[in-house]
Amino acid sequence: DQQVKQNSPSLSVQEGRISILNCDYTNSMFDYFLWYKKYPAEGPTFLISISSIKDKNEDGRFTVFLNKSAKHLSLHIVPSQPGDSAVYFCAASGNNAGNMLTFGGGTRLMVKP
Amino acid sequence: DAGVIQSPRHEVTEMGQEVTLRCKPISGHNSLFWYRQTMMRGLELLIYFNNNVPIDDSGMPEDRFSAKMPNASFSTLKIQPSEPRDSAVYFCASSRQVGVLNEKLFFGSGTQLSVL
Repeated sequence: DQQVKQNSPSLSVQEGRISILNCDYTNSMFDYFLWYKKYPAEGPTFLISISSIKDKNEDGRFTVFLNKSAKHLSLHIVPSQPGDSAVYFCAASGNNAGNMLTFGGGTRLMVKP
Repeated sequence: DAGVIQSPRHEVTEMGQEVTLRCKPISGHNSLFWYRQTMMRGLELLIYFNNNVPIDDSGMPEDRFSAKMPNASFSTLKIQPSEPRDSAVYFCASSRQVGVLNEKLFFGSGTQLSVL
């Protein structure tokens, strides 16, 4: 059973608008969450993270929100740009596992010019 | 730094053949991870090493899969015999150490494996 789920396999957004990517998890021991971005023919690269002691972390156009009670996190990209088109993976770690990550299935974001 | 280097980029083989995937981690990184990406299951951790020692191979799907890390700069993932359901993208990643938050994983570009 997947402990980290990204229920939307794809998302299409117009340039300049907000992109919202969602992620749900089932393991209550997870306490650190990350988003990785993957371009075609490249490996995933780290984008942004959040610890369970926070409910929001912002880095430029990227903001991650964490709702622990709902076991849900989301990545907001504002404004979206065509260069943001990629596959986004949600990942989680916990129970003193450090950087041992459990990944979701990914969401393909397409930002249309 | 050249980053994590994987070879080959693409591998096409026939069912029953042995396949060997190679990885060179970033110099100075002590931890190495092998992941597999499939449409159905996303990114799955297969095995990881710390200081060249396999720590957890519980993600390795079957005995047909084996991984080695003979030294700090080289690791292999072998599938013998290969089967069509092994077709996937295999990623290698490294980090300075394992088990520490904020230690980011750096991924290679992956090997696209197709087993016919």
